[in-house]
Amino acid sequence: ETGVTQSPTHLIKTRGQQVTLRCSSQSGHNTVSWYQQALGQGPQFIFQYYREEENGRGNFPPRFSGLQFPNYSSELNVNALELDDSALYLCASSWAPRDYGYTFGSGTRLTVV
Amino acid sequence: TQLLEQSPQFLSIQEGENLTVYCNSSSVFSSLQWYRQEPGEGPVLLVTVVTGGEVKKLKRLTFQFGDARKDSSLHITAAQTGDTGLYLCLSGGYQKVTFGTGTKLQVIP
Repeated sequence: ETGVTQSPTHLIKTRGQQVTLRCSSQSGHNTVSWYQQALGQGPQFIFQYYREEENGRGNFPPRFSGLQFPNYSSELNVNALELDDSALYLCASSWAPRDYGYTFGSGTRLTVV
Repeated sequence: TQLLEQSPQFLSIQEGENLTVYCNSSSVFSSLQWYRQEPGEGPVLLVTVVTGGEVKKLKRLTFQFGDARKDSSLHITAAQTGDTGLYLCLSGGYQKVTFGTGTKLQVIP
């Protein structure tokens, strides 16, 4: 098992810019989800993909969008960055999340200045 | 929208002490998972509970799922410094995922 890998690990962007974060799922996992975690708080669910289709979304605006590819890797895109978007972005994968939970990556630390 | 409240929010204890962390929901859980997160890392799954009244043990950790499936607890016996971290409960898996508010545990040697 290779686990979940995210890139880049750290990123600094300017307000108004766009950013793409990447995630490679653990082998055999067909579900991927993304989370935003502010410092000192629990993660907030952004959205989830199952077999390349979005099948769940949290309370995030449309400028947060994503993709899941045939190899089950994934991207998170954020347009028109705001200062409040500064956070740790976590990706997680699973093959049966309700019963077997998620495997998380170490995250991408995004700073918007 | 399901809300998961964890208590206490912060806990600082001496090594060797016992502790319990609680996770309470505004609605019934379909399943409930517990994770531990260390600084700079993603959460790591500790356990999944599905059946009301279920009790699972993982070495010094005991997890309980309430009969009504609206609450859960995590009990740690004889805490060690390696138990330090942010403990998170999670509900979901189908279409919507909700994390609890988190309990930050510090175990002092």
